Amino acid sequence: GAVVSQHPSWVICKSGTSVKIECRSLDFQATTMFWYRQFPKQSLMLMATSNEGSKATYEQGVEKDKFLINHASLTLSTLTVTSAHPEDSSFYICSANRNRLAPYNEQFFGPGTRLTVL
Amino acid sequence: DAKTTQPNSMESNEEEPVHLPCNHSTISGTDYIHWYRQLPSQGPEYVIHGLTSNVNNRMASLAIAEDRKSSTLILHRATLRDAAVYYCICRGSGGGADGLTFGKGTHLIIQP
Repeated sequence: GAVVSQHPSWVICKSGTSVKIECRSLDFQATTMFWYRQFPKQSLMLMATSNEGSKATYEQGVEKDKFLINHASLTLSTLTVTSAHPEDSSFYICSANRNRLAPYNEQFFGPGTRLTVL
Repeated sequence: DAKTTQPNSMESNEEEPVHLPCNHSTISGTDYIHWYRQLPSQGPEYVIHGLTSNVNNRMASLAIAEDRKSSTLILHRATLRDAAVYYCICRGSGGGADGLTFGKGTHLIIQP
């Protein structure tokens, strides 16, 4: 159990286009999902917290108008990179908590989406 | 989150035990110690977590120092598939409302 999927697994797009990445919890409901970004040879950086039915919370330095997050259901969150540029090329990873009320914070991660902007 | 310090890399031989250390001297009394690992080109996966007592699961063991200022992840018999970056993260007991703060982790290299 506790499987998180992402689609697509990789995408190549032209500069200026928008790209949507989906994150799904396949066998549990997630009121909260998280989006991370990872540049080559670096660690994961939390971008935003996606809350079902409400606005996402963005980390400092992350442009909310550029990285649009929608969490329309308990099993799906989407990240849209608007007007993508080469510097947005990165590995985007989502995660979800199965039990938001648990005292510990075990998160289940998706396999990641490799975005390359030409 | 308490700051954690891990060696940048470690190397071990296949089928030998591996001890991955983590220092977290500023850990608070209610912080849990989590370990995740990330295989190449994949999302991280949960390994183990603990609070005060040592913990065992099918993947690994977690040994927590008595003063909780350090911990060690133990892979009892490393395989080539264990080659990954291992992250030690200390989190408060605030539940699942917050994302994780990843440090640089330890890059574990397994030699055949």
